[in-house]
Amino acid sequence: GAVVSQHPSRVICKSGTSVKIECRSLDFQATTMFWYRQFPKQSLMLMATSNEGSKATYEQGVEKDKFLINHASLTLSTLTVTSAHPEDSSFYICSAGTGGGYGYTFGSGTRLTVV
Amino acid sequence: GQQLNQSPQSMFIQEGEDVSMNCTSSSIFNTWLWYKQEPGEGPVLLIALYKAGELTSNGRLTAQFGITRKDSFLNISASIPSDVGIYFCAPLEYGNKLVFGAGTILRVKS
Repeated sequence: GAVVSQHPSRVICKSGTSVKIECRSLDFQATTMFWYRQFPKQSLMLMATSNEGSKATYEQGVEKDKFLINHASLTLSTLTVTSAHPEDSSFYICSAGTGGGYGYTFGSGTRLTVV
Repeated sequence: GQQLNQSPQSMFIQEGEDVSMNCTSSSIFNTWLWYKQEPGEGPVLLIALYKAGELTSNGRLTAQFGITRKDSFLNISASIPSDVGIYFCAPLEYGNKLVFGAGTILRVKS
């Protein structure tokens, strides 16, 4: 079945630094990937839609200059949290569509802690 | 905007009991997905529903897509300890974006 690999699973960084999170579709090509953010005991909130070869589409209220998304190939999308602050600490999860509305496979998530 | 309501918010049940949870929406959807999330992990797809009225099973799990396309339920029969986790409904909206319900936290007492 479809497998999505997300790396790193955990990262701790200092305030003001940038962190890059990778999302790879391992056995299928994904023209579209999605990035979510999840706070403790809350649901997943869609941040942006990552489109291969074009600019990402951000949801309302999500700062595109803060959360840089690059989808340079059909199997890789990256999310870079720039100039991280403690309030950016969260669980970030990516997903990749397998096309035709047949459901989406999620990565295992990245726990970001900014200190 | 559209509203998506998932209930119950949490359940604490005895092992062996059946579980039922549901989602209702103010909008019509063409696809409903149900996911399970365990601590520190991403959601895992349990069941996908594509047609109004569709009833689909996956082992002890059964889900139905409401005839109005505005609701769906998920049932778990004969619960076991490994059923513990958070269950999300996630209808698919325009632009192929998933909208997640608030989640149902399931705890099983053995």
